[in-house]
Amino acid sequence: QVQLVQSGAEVKKPEASVKVSCKASGYTFNYISYYMHWVRQAPGQGLEWMGIIHPSSGSTTYARKFQGRVTLTRDTSTSTVYMELSSLTSEDTAVYYCARGGTTMISDYWGQGTLVTVSS
Amino acid sequence: QSALTQPPSASGSPGQSVTISCTGTGSDVGGYNYVSWYQQHPGKAPKFMIYDVSKRPSGVPDRFSGSKSGNTASLTVSGLQAEDEADYYCTSYAGSNNLVFGGGTKLTVL
Repeated sequence: QVQLVQSGAEVKKPEASVKVSCKASGYTFNYISYYMHWVRQAPGQGLEWMGIIHPSSGSTTYARKFQGRVTLTRDTSTSTVYMELSSLTSEDTAVYYCARGGTTMISDYWGQGTLVTVSS
Repeated sequence: QSALTQPPSASGSPGQSVTISCTGTGSDVGGYNYVSWYQQHPGKAPKFMIYDVSKRPSGVPDRFSGSKSGNTASLTVSGLQAEDEADYYCTSYAGSNNLVFGGGTKLTVL
């Protein structure tokens, strides 16, 4: 069965960076039609799309809001994608999700979420 | 890339129907037939309910349906059940591999 398993909760200080991993299993990680999205949800708030990576090619697209601050990478040898967010502020405190999909949608496979807390 | 506009709340009694709207622009909702809907219960990851405006993934009850007119997409839940009480989010393709979410709607079953 398809599983996306994310790394554990993180506590970071303002201006630091965080790197969250998402290990995929149960399907062909670099199948050409599969993409991985990253979505975040601040406490009590809605879902916010951050960006997308194509594991097969490594190509990425970032939401305008996060351009210059977010980097998505992948390691095909371990079927893992990574989301790194820099220059953290308290407004980046959120649960971060990876989720499989295509370019036009996110499908039904989501990671369990990783809570990132930014606090001095 | 402004968020799509959803009403903050919606409600209905068991057995009734409720419709949640999702308004965007010609650059997202109106420009593509790629609107999806997600259901999220507290503390859980979102669940995929509708894609490509009106298609249901396998396992999603046919009580859930989607439609679109111009720049506004809609999710209709018929025959409301207690377990339908959740937050609902729309998302739309916005071109160049970008997606945009709606602000979310809290559905209450009275």
